[in-house]
Amino acid sequence: SYVLTQPPSVSVAPGKTARITCGGSSIGGKTVHWYQQKPGQAPVLVIYYDNERPSGIPERFSGSNSGNPATLTISRVEAGDEADYYCQVWDSSSDHVIFGGGTKLTVL
Amino acid sequence: EVKLVESGGALVQPGGSLRLSCAASKFTFNSYWMTWVRQAPGKGLEWVANIKEDGSEKYYADSVKGRFTISRDNAKNSLYLQMKSLRAEDTAVYYCVRGDGDYNLFFKSWGQGTLVTVSS
Repeated sequence: SYVLTQPPSVSVAPGKTARITCGGSSIGGKTVHWYQQKPGQAPVLVIYYDNERPSGIPERFSGSNSGNPATLTISRVEAGDEADYYCQVWDSSSDHVIFGGGTKLTVL
Repeated sequence: EVKLVESGGALVQPGGSLRLSCAASKFTFNSYWMTWVRQAPGKGLEWVANIKEDGSEKYYADSVKGRFTISRDNAKNSLYLQMKSLRAEDTAVYYCVRGDGDYNLFFKSWGQGTLVTVSS
């Protein structure tokens, strides 16, 4: 079955740029979505269709998927961005939804 | 604003059964795929099952196939997850989620989750 690989953790200083990667076989041929989850809360969609932002999500959040890996970029990181981030795709060969293992973003 | 409210979570013994419900409101329920996603304590998100708008297609994660059944009642704006032969590894918060897109789903609207604990 299809597997998405994320680094377990990423650390970044406030005001800097965080990049969270999501690797998978031929992921450039798939559409990647990204979620933010803070402790005790339901996940929040931050990027869909590789690089689209839902309303209410700051422009600081952007996505790219031009090859392996796909990347979620958070510019000018703030303390409030500290959370777990998950990538997700639809695997058409199995009709399954696949989530990455998640990346814990720590703001130093 | 889309509202999804799960219920039915409980403590259940291994081998037991449980039925989760999700009441949906503030959107046209029968126009959307619906999904269950779970999260074991301290772990990541795991997709459980999807059901098409009219219930004609259902898909399951390998870990629950044959034990769980997803269904919906569009007249009642409700989604269900019938779980049987429960195992300790099914312990998780179960989220009811609306699917956006068509087959290539993404998930903008989530419920707050209901906790299922499988333990003797």
